[in-house]
Amino acid sequence: GESVGLHLPTLSVQEGDNSIINCAYSNSASDYFIWYKQESGKGPQFIIDIRSNMDKRQGQRVTVLLNKTVKHLSLQIAATQPGDSAVYFCAENGSRAGNMLTFGGGTRLMVKP
Amino acid sequence: EAQVTQNPRYLITVTGKKLTVTCSQNMNHEYMSWYRQDPGLGLRQIYYSMNVEVTDKGDVPEGYKVSRKEKRNFPLILESPSPNQTSLYFCASRKGVGWNTEAFFGQGTRLTVV
Repeated sequence: GESVGLHLPTLSVQEGDNSIINCAYSNSASDYFIWYKQESGKGPQFIIDIRSNMDKRQGQRVTVLLNKTVKHLSLQIAATQPGDSAVYFCAENGSRAGNMLTFGGGTRLMVKP
Repeated sequence: EAQVTQNPRYLITVTGKKLTVTCSQNMNHEYMSWYRQDPGLGLRQIYYSMNVEVTDKGDVPEGYKVSRKEKRNFPLILESPSPNQTSLYFCASRKGVGWNTEAFFGQGTRLTVV
């Protein structure tokens, strides 16, 4: 079936450390995957995406890794800052009618000063 | 500034009283959609529209209607709201459906139906 899920609901890290947020998906036909950040009281905001034919993609302080063998992707945030505190969602696109995005349940990242 | 604007931001209403949540985008995007966000359930798509006069059901369309008469507007209509529609609603727009067509989200509308 189609599902996108997250391993941990809450992740607490020390400021300056690296954060890794994980996501599992079940549909091999997914075309690409997206990570969103949602701060309190705001709508989700695009962070980075990766196509199914890629293994890794880097942005500013963020890296997304995709392991198609085990249907797993992760978001790595380098040198985590207090402003990174938010809920992070993974989403997949391309496997459903109308190219609807399918979102995971979200992981809350808490950054300790 | 590119944005998706929803109104109202907060709404408390009574069961059965029709309401409309408006959504407008200024990016000339073709694809617009509505989501509801509930604790532990993440974002679930209610309806989407791939262009003017084209709308389709998402995962949780029951109790909702939408219309797309103009490209920039995509209102969400609750003809007879019920308490189980109490939720946080987001409108989003995308320029297309393929790679590099990130979704832009509005600020959200928190709806309470009593």
